[in-house]
Amino acid sequence: GDSVTQMEGPVTLSEEAFLTINCTYTATGYPSLFWYVQYPGEGLQLLLKATKADDKGSNKGFEATYRKETTSFHLEKGSVQVSDSAVYFCALSGGAGGTSYGKLTFGQGTILTVHP
Amino acid sequence: SQTIHQWPATLVQPVGSPLSLECTVEGTSNPNLYWYRQAAGRGLQLLFYSVGIGQISSEVPQNLSASRPQDRQFILSSKKLLLSDSGFYLCAWSGKGQFVGLNTEAFFGQGTRLTVV
Repeated sequence: GDSVTQMEGPVTLSEEAFLTINCTYTATGYPSLFWYVQYPGEGLQLLLKATKADDKGSNKGFEATYRKETTSFHLEKGSVQVSDSAVYFCALSGGAGGTSYGKLTFGQGTILTVHP
Repeated sequence: SQTIHQWPATLVQPVGSPLSLECTVEGTSNPNLYWYRQAAGRGLQLLFYSVGIGQISSEVPQNLSASRPQDRQFILSSKKLLLSDSGFYLCAWSGKGQFVGLNTEAFFGQGTRLTVV
């Protein structure tokens, strides 16, 4: 079945540091890929997405490129802020092809803490 | 615009008591609906999904059940809670792709933190 593997956390950075959170996936067909963010005490919010190979999703300074050859969707940000402290989830949908009904397969989540 | 409401935000229940969590969606019709659980220290796991009224699919065997009595209402229930049911429960909805294989993202509610004591 489909699976998503994220880098182990937690990740602790100083403000303005460069961020990379690795994400690789296993899926059949042509999945869509997502990054969700969960701020403390809140539900999940969609951060960015990519629906086909070589697409780049971007939002709030975060970027991720859909790499089919390496089955990866790494999240990057050039300069993190304290307000970026949250849990980040990589996810995929539709790996089996056909109608997956938008069901998401999530990675285990990566806790990011940014210090001033 | 579409919104999703989930309640209560927090809940403390004794072992063996019943559970009912409710989720409603506004601003869309015929959505796909989902219940996810995030256990402490673990990732998100899909529990149930529904593609229409009265249509429920269970992803994992467990002590919980789900129902969809109306198009935009999704309820998670248990007759007798276990300690292992503690966690953060998230309701989500997604649209239906126009074409086979077209995937849409899911939109999440604020979640319910359930503690079984």
